[in-house]
Amino acid sequence: AQKVTQAQTEISVVEKEDVTLDCVYETRDTTYYLFWYKQPPSGELVFLIRRNSFDEQNEISGRYSWNFQKSTSSFNFTITASQVVDSAVYFCALSGPNTGGFKTIFGAGTRLFVKA
Amino acid sequence: DVKVTQSSRYLVKRTGEKVFLECVQDMDHENMFWYRQDPGLGLRLIYFSYDVKMKEKGDIPEGYSVSREKKERFSLILESASTNQTSMYLCASSLLLGQYEQFFGPGTRLTVL
Repeated sequence: AQKVTQAQTEISVVEKEDVTLDCVYETRDTTYYLFWYKQPPSGELVFLIRRNSFDEQNEISGRYSWNFQKSTSSFNFTITASQVVDSAVYFCALSGPNTGGFKTIFGAGTRLFVKA
Repeated sequence: DVKVTQSSRYLVKRTGEKVFLECVQDMDHENMFWYRQDPGLGLRLIYFSYDVKMKEKGDIPEGYSVSREKKERFSLILESASTNQTSMYLCASSLLLGQYEQFFGPGTRLTVL
């Protein structure tokens, strides 16, 4: 089965705390793609990162970092020194040949509250 | 700046009405998508289109139809709206199916009374 699990429904942190959003996926594909999207209160999903299954290098972009581990089928997202503007719903997603011909499967999302 | 636009941010309709949700993208993307977003369920694919006049059912197509007469425009149609179709509807487009990111519109929050 192709599946994305974001076990954390809601996380609440205080500004400047670090926070990690978990994403665990299931796939039988050897070639697949993983994504993270951010949905701020305005509603429009914004793309954050894409990873293909052959690239296990961790990625850092400013305060954001991603840890991709095929051994545990996880693609976790860490925000360092969180800010109020990071408050949003974050979605992890998967696509591959067996997600229905490269359709994208989204996790249920994690709502992050960052309090000032 | 790349853009996906949707015809309405908020829409209120009555049960049994025919509802049209319009989506336009300016990126010359082949692929366009309609999702429905409900709390706790994430995004669920209703229909997608990989070319003009081509469409494929997603995971929850029942009660919906789509139309793609021009490359830049993808319409979602609720033939006879029902209260269980009250939801947030998101349109997206992408260059290559599944291999590249999707660009999303701002969403239409539809309420069916």
